[in-house]
Amino acid sequence: GESVGLHLPTLSVQEGDNSIINCAYSNSASDYFIWYKQESGKGPQFIIDIRSNMDKRQGQRVTVLLNKTVKHLSLQIAATQPGDSAVYFCAENRFVGASGSARQLTFGSGTQLTVLP
Amino acid sequence: DGGITQSPKYLFRKEGQNVTLSCEQNLNHDAMYWYRQDPGQGLRLIYYSQIVNDFQKGDIAEGYSVSREKKESFPLTVTSAQKNPTAFYLCASSMIAQEFNTGELFFGEGSRLTVL
Repeated sequence: GESVGLHLPTLSVQEGDNSIINCAYSNSASDYFIWYKQESGKGPQFIIDIRSNMDKRQGQRVTVLLNKTVKHLSLQIAATQPGDSAVYFCAENRFVGASGSARQLTFGSGTQLTVLP
Repeated sequence: DGGITQSPKYLFRKEGQNVTLSCEQNLNHDAMYWYRQDPGQGLRLIYYSQIVNDFQKGDIAEGYSVSREKKESFPLTVTSAQKNPTAFYLCASSMIAQEFNTGELFFGEGSRLTVL
């Protein structure tokens, strides 16, 4: 089956540095991707998304880059803060079902980001 | 405030018992989902529902059952047929997809089930 995976299971960065979290996907038909942040014992929270007709999208302190040629996503966090410590998931989002009204996410295994003081 | 509420947050079960996890949303979302999360792994889809009285199996539906009698509620039953039920269970919901809608999933805080 199709899969979404992450290059590294853990990432440690110094507070104030930039973080880059990478993700590879295998379904070339995927047209929508989302990054989620999950703090310990909580549900995932939406960070930023990108459609396949874009190669870059910026949010507040975060940037997502999409390279469709090599099926690669990255999440860049600027000036990483202690509150950024969490597991980060990329997810491939596609419509499913007969009516196409529901979305199904395929998640990678996640990267644990640790911010060092 | 609008959101998704899961209960209980922690649940212990003896082998051979069925348990039901509650998920309620007041976001007026049509679609609801159940995911399972195991340590060091991503989320895997158990069941999803696009509309009341209709639901579909996800990737790992065996040993689970759901119902969707109300738009706001999507309870998950973990049956005795589920061989490895200890996990973190996450419920989510989304709007019906529209052309300019991101279809973002909103997650609950999760329910941690432990089988003794």
